[in-house]
Amino acid sequence: ETGVTQSPTHLIKTRGQQVTLRCSSQSGHNTVSWYQQALGQGPQFIFQYYREEENGRGNFPPRFSGLQFPNYSSELNVNALELDDSALYLCASSLDATGSGGAFFGQGTRLTVV
Amino acid sequence: DAKTTQPTSMDCAEGRAANLPCNHSTISGNEYVYWYRQIHSQGPQYIIHGLKNNETNEMASLIITEDRKSSTLILPHATLRDTAVYYCFQSRRSSGGSNYKLTFGKGTLLTVNP
Repeated sequence: ETGVTQSPTHLIKTRGQQVTLRCSSQSGHNTVSWYQQALGQGPQFIFQYYREEENGRGNFPPRFSGLQFPNYSSELNVNALELDDSALYLCASSLDATGSGGAFFGQGTRLTVV
Repeated sequence: DAKTTQPTSMDCAEGRAANLPCNHSTISGNEYVYWYRQIHSQGPQYIIHGLKNNETNEMASLIITEDRKSSTLILPHATLRDTAVYYCFQSRRSSGGSNYKLTFGKGTLLTVNP
């Protein structure tokens, strides 16, 4: 158990719809990062939030957006879903943006776009 | 893109030491070597990281060559529960608000056999 929880665990959406995924970070961690993991691949960095502000972004289009709240929990929003968005979405929290002590991952949300 | 190379798969007998190699020939002076693992259907789990000295914790040991171009993760007494994909990567532990992101490759599938 890492103390990082994600919801929902599974989700099925239709192409063109919008989705919101949620993450509660480990107590005391002020940094949350989101990753997308396609089947058979390693996780790919989407973006990071540090103290409620976006603090770096990977190679993902603007329809991937996020929020971090004062309690450091976070949301990942994806608009205009495409079939290729089907993946495991992982949230990772860390003590700070420097990654001290490593990042702790949740179990992920499995998104299927049909 | 991942800058490290790892074997695609390895086998190990239960109770024996598992030695997982990683090449990171392009590592720069301020980059650390990180190891994570991902057990099937779970989020990645932090194992260990190091800069240039060998490191040991309750999970594993990390041996980094003197030129820092390769490393070996050692699980001293592998169990069936250690069957997982093991990821090695180099990452700069940033400061000053710069983001800390993990760049996963495809990793090594370690199978521990009874």
